[in-house]
Amino acid sequence: QKEVEQDPGPLSVPEGAIVSLNCTYSNSAFQYFMWYRQYSRKGPELLMYTYSSGNKEDGRFTAQVDKSSKYISLFIRDSQPSDSATYLCAMRPNSGGSNYKLTFGKGTLLTVNP
Amino acid sequence: NAGVTQTPKFQVLKTGQSMTLQCAQDMNHNSMYWYRQDPGMGLRLIYYSASEGTTDKGEVPNGYNVSRLNKREFSLRLESAAPSQTSVYFCASKWTSEQGEAFFGQGTRLTVV
Repeated sequence: QKEVEQDPGPLSVPEGAIVSLNCTYSNSAFQYFMWYRQYSRKGPELLMYTYSSGNKEDGRFTAQVDKSSKYISLFIRDSQPSDSATYLCAMRPNSGGSNYKLTFGKGTLLTVNP
Repeated sequence: NAGVTQTPKFQVLKTGQSMTLQCAQDMNHNSMYWYRQDPGMGLRLIYYSASEGTTDKGEVPNGYNVSRLNKREFSLRLESAAPSQTSVYFCASKWTSEQGEAFFGQGTRLTVV
């Protein structure tokens, strides 16, 4: 089992839809959880960052972490064509030698159609 | 404020040629990283430098070397390029290995023929 699993999609939705993106993981040591957005031919940019379990909201974006299920989600409300991108989940432990390393999902390609 | 700058943006090499990918950050970050991104494989860590003067191997270091030239600059060298090294390479930096989150450059698209 890979440490982080993410459905690569592609996911295609109409403008205004609610989008749900998800990752599962197997390493119970992961404490920090991130979502990156990557536009075509660009570098990833940090979108959301959460520590441990719970929800975090930023505008149209909500990140959820359920550590008991080892499951994280990113919700996008009122999706826009400008949200069309690849979304990467990433996570890392809180301490220890592997603290340096982010483990990434493979990314989900999202297209929002006008 | 440019963030993380990578050069070149594109490169085509012949098998066996060598080249160095350059990365510089202007955010006064201590930690810097090199990743490669391949279709279906996601981002994989090649090498990292937790602080100036230190470098360590990541997940896929074979065929690469790195140099942390100073706090700002972290270069990745391919001594003898192979077609398997065709990829998009990203440099990233963080405040420290424990704090802050990674900021990425725009990437270098490398093709080895």
